[in-house]
Amino acid sequence: NAGVTQTPKFQVLKTGQSMTLQCAQDMNHNSMYWYRQDPGMGLRLIYYSASEGTTDKGEVPNGYNVSRLNKREFSLRLESAAPSQTSVYFCASTGPGGGNEQFFGPGTRLTVL
Amino acid sequence: DAKTTQPPSMDCAEGRAANLPCNHSTISGNEYVYWYRQIHSQGPQYIIHGLKNNETNEMASLIITEDRKSSTLILPHATLRDTAVYYCIVRFSNTGKLIFGQGTTLQVKP
Repeated sequence: NAGVTQTPKFQVLKTGQSMTLQCAQDMNHNSMYWYRQDPGMGLRLIYYSASEGTTDKGEVPNGYNVSRLNKREFSLRLESAAPSQTSVYFCASTGPGGGNEQFFGPGTRLTVL
Repeated sequence: DAKTTQPPSMDCAEGRAANLPCNHSTISGNEYVYWYRQIHSQGPQYIIHGLKNNETNEMASLIITEDRKSSTLILPHATLRDTAVYYCIVRFSNTGKLIFGQGTTLQVKP
């Protein structure tokens, strides 16, 4: 199993550009999450999807949109990137019941100039 | 979800036990205590979790006080590879959401 995969690993954008971060898991997990981590800080939840077809806002959803494409894939879109969105983005998934451990991807390092 | 308080940093000698404390005085009866760690900007890694009883797995032990207002993560024989940021998190098991604080940076020294 590959676990949780994220693409791309690195990305540089100019202010106002748009992009989509991709996340996929092969563990048949129901729930998926997007976090961001700023330097020296803990992770903050952006959006999550408790199950296929549902999405909910987390702590810091402004400036982002998400799509739960199917059970495997959960994408994060920045419609108009801003320098404040420079961060490391982590995707995670968890199995049935929500009480199990969350498995995290390797992260996408995004810089917005 | 209850807030947690952890010391910002700790040192430990290689081969010794590392004891990482966490205060969660506002924890409610059905909230679990979870521990994750993050090694050098990689994705966080699950370590252990518990509700009331002490727990042990191949990575660590979790000691929860009887009033559940604090807990201690114990790495019994710390190695240099255990150098990481350790996060203590409390949450309802069925929400799935993790609220990360700033964690404790553990430095294991030779």
